[in-house]
Amino acid sequence: NAGVTQTPKFRVLKTGQSMTLLCAQDMNHEYMYWYRQDPGMGLRLIHYSVGEGTTAKGEVPDGYNVSRLKKQNFLLGLESAAPSQTSVYFCASSYRVNPTINIQYFGAGTRLSVL
Amino acid sequence: GESVGLHLPTLSVQEGDNSIINCAYSNSASDYFIWYKQESGKGPQFIIDIRSNMDKRQGQRVTVLLNKTVKHLSLQIAATQPGDSAVYFCAEKEYAGGTSYGKLTFGQGTILTVHP
Repeated sequence: NAGVTQTPKFRVLKTGQSMTLLCAQDMNHEYMYWYRQDPGMGLRLIHYSVGEGTTAKGEVPDGYNVSRLKKQNFLLGLESAAPSQTSVYFCASSYRVNPTINIQYFGAGTRLSVL
Repeated sequence: GESVGLHLPTLSVQEGDNSIINCAYSNSASDYFIWYKQESGKGPQFIIDIRSNMDKRQGQRVTVLLNKTVKHLSLQIAATQPGDSAVYFCAEKEYAGGTSYGKLTFGQGTILTVHP
């Protein structure tokens, strides 16, 4: 099993450009998440999905959109990139088996620079 | 020690020593806690978790202690090795009323450096 795979690993954008980050998981997890990680700050939730065809806003959703057309994939889109979106983006997934436990499994991250 | 929402502390230890990484949380409604390890350039890796109805849980070389009275969580690593050098995050989950989803709130992390 590959676990959670993110593509691309690195990307440099110019202000105003758009791009899509792809996350794929092969663990048949119901839940998927997109986080951003900035220096000196904890992981912040951008958007999440509790199942195929459903998405919801997290803590910092502005400037991002997501889609979950297939259970194994969760896409994060930046329609018009801004320098403030320079960050490391992590995708995660977890099972829906217990109302309490939420072990999230993370991908290796995408390092995005917006110039 | 680390607090969910504040600055990034550091801990330096010698190889073979035991390490203790601390985490303070503020939400008394949190019912689940989890520790992650993040090596440079990699994604967070699950270490161990604990529910709020427990005080202690042990894994391989790691132990998590939960003190709900003072809202404190700690991760103990026995016989620390150079490969343990990483940033360690704690995260808490607020009780979700019996639903399956509960948002994890992450701390900034503690940098652990193990010297040979």
